Amino acid sequence: DIQMTQSPSTLSASVGDRVTITCRASQTITTWLAWYQQKPGKAPKLLIYKASNLESGVPSRFSGSGSGTEFTLTISSLQPDDFATYYCQQYNSYSTFGQGTKVEIK
Amino acid sequence: QVQLVQSGAEVKKPGASVKLSCKASGYTFTNNYIYWVRQAPGQGLEWMGIINPTGGGTYYPQRFQGRVTMTRDTSTSTVYMDLSSLRSEDTAVYFCARDRGDGGGSYSAIDCWGQGTLVTVSS
Repeated sequence: DIQMTQSPSTLSASVGDRVTITCRASQTITTWLAWYQQKPGKAPKLLIYKASNLESGVPSRFSGSGSGTEFTLTISSLQPDDFATYYCQQYNSYSTFGQGTKVEIK
Repeated sequence: QVQLVQSGAEVKKPGASVKLSCKASGYTFTNNYIYWVRQAPGQGLEWMGIINPTGGGTYYPQRFQGRVTMTRDTSTSTVYMDLSSLRSEDTAVYFCARDRGDGGGSYSAIDCWGQGTLVTVSS
């Protein structure tokens, strides 16, 4: 099974900050990776698919990059609505989620 | 619009089974796989398996094999997930979710989620 490891687990940041979250796969997944945002009590929301493709309707401050085993989600200028938990998911070989990164207010 | 509507909350005793439903609308049901994902209280997302509504084919990760069964009814555009031998660790919110259908890997990303169903396992 492919394991997905996110870092950090928690990130404290301020509005306007540039934020980067990393996701590492235990083996290559080419670019079959998605990023989701989840707020308390809600279902996750797709942000990025195929590592770097922005889902329709998602603000352009979100971007994804990477291939192989290392991937990043970047929020270029953190907004109040962005405080949430973020998950990566590989779908190269079946599917696995990362353990999540909580972005909290500094 | 694309929508997945799940059945209501359940309370079960250890050892029992639970069957959840997920009704799809707003798209052609057989065009997209359906995932099941769960989330224990305060924890992350866990993939439980996937079903192809076209032929009913399924795949379950090893940790759920033998305990989970996913089925579908194409006449009502509904997917079901049956989890047996429940234990307290199965207390979680269970989500069904739609595969985008554009993948080149095993599957695709998830572009639509149900609202979630809380299953509580308690004696």
